[in-house]
Amino acid sequence: GNSVTQMEGPVTLSEEAFLTINCTYTATGYPSLFWYVQYPGEGLQLLLKATKADDKGSNKGFEATYRKETTSFHLEKGSVQVSDSAVYFCALRSSGGSYIPTFGRGTSLIVHP
Amino acid sequence: DTGVSQDPRHKITKRGQNVTFRCDPISEHNRLYWYRQTLGQGPEFLTYFQNEAQLEKSRLLSDRFSAERPKGSFSTLEIQRTEQGDSAMYLCASSSIGARDEQYFGPGTRLTVT
Repeated sequence: GNSVTQMEGPVTLSEEAFLTINCTYTATGYPSLFWYVQYPGEGLQLLLKATKADDKGSNKGFEATYRKETTSFHLEKGSVQVSDSAVYFCALRSSGGSYIPTFGRGTSLIVHP
Repeated sequence: DTGVSQDPRHKITKRGQNVTFRCDPISEHNRLYWYRQTLGQGPEFLTYFQNEAQLEKSRLLSDRFSAERPKGSFSTLEIQRTEQGDSAMYLCASSSIGARDEQYFGPGTRLTVT
């Protein structure tokens, strides 16, 4: 079945540092890939997505590239801010079917001033 | 657009009691989803509705769980005879058919079974 593996957190960075959160997946066919963010006390929000190999999703300075050869979708940001502190979830959705995503365990990001 | 709302935000109950949670989706969204999230895990799918029809249920949804969406608007999730293992965050999300990948999540209901 489908599965998503994320690096364990917390990831602790200083403001303006470079961020990478690793995500790899197992799925049949050609899934769509997503990153969600959950700020403290709030619901999950879709951050970015990519629907086919080599697509790059981007939003709010975050980027992730769909790498089919390495089954990866790593999240990156060039310069993090304190306001980026949150939990980040990688997810996939199989092509076709019911549009139900499979989520990873989440990676907590803490950014210090 | 007021977003997805859930009520209550927190619920503490004794083992064996029944609990009911409510979700109000974004008004024009016809798909509604329920997930369960335990500490240190990502959301796990429970069930979803398209309008008032319940189209899919996860194996996680035991016979003690039931969900309804009677008029295709708000939804309720009931857990009967709660067990300590039911302690979790219960998340609701909604989406429109035209943008099924764009799920909007509510803040969740945290259930603690003592």
